[in-house]
Amino acid sequence: AQSVAQPEDQVNVAEGNPLTVKCTYSVSGNPYLFWYVQYPNRGLQFLLKYITGDNLVKGSYGFEAEFNKSQTSFHLKKPSALVSDSALYFCAVPLGDSWGKFQFGAGTQVVVTP
Amino acid sequence: GAVVSQHPSRVICKSGTSVKIECRSLDFQATTMFWYRQFPKQSLMLMATSNEGSKATYEQGVEKDKFLINHASLTLSTLTVTSAHPEDSSFYICSANSGQGPLSGANVLTFGAGSRLTVL
Repeated sequence: AQSVAQPEDQVNVAEGNPLTVKCTYSVSGNPYLFWYVQYPNRGLQFLLKYITGDNLVKGSYGFEAEFNKSQTSFHLKKPSALVSDSALYFCAVPLGDSWGKFQFGAGTQVVVTP
Repeated sequence: GAVVSQHPSRVICKSGTSVKIECRSLDFQATTMFWYRQFPKQSLMLMATSNEGSKATYEQGVEKDKFLINHASLTLSTLTVTSAHPEDSSFYICSANSGQGPLSGANVLTFGAGSRLTVL
């Protein structure tokens, strides 16, 4: 079964400091991995995805993620966090052959303080 | 880019009434749409897959008679919460596949802004 895990419920970081949101995966076959962000009372916004190719994936709003096959991880990173990055972040993996059904991680609340 | 619109964004209803939530793909056709449910501070749980012109496919544990899904056109899917009760209060989010596969540069799935249902 395809699944992802986000070990941290919340991450606190000061503005300007590096931000890391952790995600590990368990998939059969080639992993397709996604990161989404959700602002309060809003739907999800796509940040980035890993399909194949370079292990370092660059996405929206200055975020990037590193695919690590040996550690089965796909951590989201941003070199310098902004207060506006405070939101709920979800790691996700597609279910089966449908490119619309996703298994989401539990989510990590990011709080960036000024 | 692909846009998915949900309406209403917020709805409050009395227990026992039915509520309809619409999900529209604005600039693309979606033969398949997906309905998710999200409880406060929790992850999204897939409820069902809405198929244009045919019956929806429900995930295990989701009552199909409680959550009626209709996908009558290529741009519209509706979720009706029938005889709503306070435990149905939740944030409902729809999504649609713009048809581009993951190997393209585009995002695969576009989400609506969500609909918050409060049942009194």
